Amino acid sequence: DAGVTQSPTHLIKTRGQQVTLRCSPKSGHDTVSWYQQALGQGPQFIFQYYEEEERQRGNFPDRFSGHQYPNYSSELNVNALLLGDSALYLCASSFGDRTNTEAFFGQGTRLTVV
Amino acid sequence: DAKTTQPNSMESNEEEPVHLPCNHSTISGTDYIHWYRQLPSQGPEYVIHGLTSNVNNRMASLAIAEDRKSSTLILHRATLRDAAVYYCILRDVGTNAGKSTFGDGTTLTVKP
Repeated sequence: DAGVTQSPTHLIKTRGQQVTLRCSPKSGHDTVSWYQQALGQGPQFIFQYYEEEERQRGNFPDRFSGHQYPNYSSELNVNALLLGDSALYLCASSFGDRTNTEAFFGQGTRLTVV
Repeated sequence: DAKTTQPNSMESNEEEPVHLPCNHSTISGTDYIHWYRQLPSQGPEYVIHGLTSNVNNRMASLAIAEDRKSSTLILHRATLRDAAVYYCILRDVGTNAGKSTFGDGTTLTVKP
């Protein structure tokens, strides 16, 4: 089992550009959550996808959007990139949107905005 | 969102027990207490979780106060590989199910 896989591992973008990050959940998982982790801080919840719908959202602007596909994989899109969007973006998968099972995290995508 | 408070850092000697505290005074009845840890350059890793009763697994033990306003993660014998940032989070299975709020965690240093 490959666990949660994220791509790419590193990315450099210019201010104002758009970026798409990808996540494949652990086998058997149907729920994907995205987090942003700035250097030296804890992960901040962006949103959660279940049954191809956004079920929960944190305090992030509409520039952050996502998608979940029928195979449960997910994408995080960020438009009009700002320097402050530079961070580690983490994807976590779990089973069920209202269950209490453990979440498995990927290694993350390091986004640098210049 | 329910929040947790943890000390910024703690130190331990190798082979000794470590008690990592967490306060969550605004916990709701549908919040489960989860602990994750994050090693350098890795994503967070699940450690343990519980609701009301104390819990044990192969990695650690979780002691939950009777009023559920605090909890303690116990590593019975710290090793150098346990050096990490430990996060205590609350996961709701009610209205806000799925919305996990991480704080800044406790950085655990293990000395040989």
